[in-house]
Amino acid sequence: GDSVTQMEGPVTLSEEAFLTINCTYTATGYPSLFWYVQYPGEGLQLLLKATKADDKGSNKGFEATYRKETTSFHLEKGSVQVSDSAVYFCALSDMNSNSGYALNFGKGTSLLVTP
Amino acid sequence: ETGVTQTPRHLVMGMTNKKSLKCEQHLGHNAMYWYKQSAKKPLELMFVYNFKEQTENNSVPSRFSPECPNSSHLFLHLHTLQPEDSALYLCASSQGTSGRQETQYFGPGTRLLVL
Repeated sequence: GDSVTQMEGPVTLSEEAFLTINCTYTATGYPSLFWYVQYPGEGLQLLLKATKADDKGSNKGFEATYRKETTSFHLEKGSVQVSDSAVYFCALSDMNSNSGYALNFGKGTSLLVTP
Repeated sequence: ETGVTQTPRHLVMGMTNKKSLKCEQHLGHNAMYWYKQSAKKPLELMFVYNFKEQTENNSVPSRFSPECPNSSHLFLHLHTLQPEDSALYLCASSQGTSGRQETQYFGPGTRLLVL
């Protein structure tokens, strides 16, 4: 079945450091790929998404490129801020015979940015 | 403000209690979801409703009973829960018509503790 694997956290970085959070997936179909972010005490929010190969999703300085050949969707940011401290979830959406297009999430990667 | 609200935000209940979680979306969406978020585990999809019809029951124990009276409201009725059911319960909604590209919008969650 479909699955998402993302790097284990926590990741601790200094402010203005470069961020990469790895995400790889397996899917039987042609999924859409998402990054969601969860700030402390809140629900998940969509950060960015890509719906076809070589698409780049971007938002708030974060980027991720849909790489079909390596089945990856790594999240990057050139210069992190303290306010980026959160848990980041990689997810895919693919056709599921039972529930239509349900989201399949990774375990989440906790990011802590220190001043 | 995500447009998806959940009440209560926190709930403590004994194993013999009956309680209900409520979710309301103000986005005009047609699909609603319940997820369970436990520490160190991926988000688990529990139930999916599309146009008020349940389309997914992801092997969830019968002590969890969903109800979707209309496309804006979703309930999760709880009875005779176990301590391992303690978790953050997240509600989400989506358009329901856009296939695998669809973004889900999450509420802030209900933090449930079963004693």
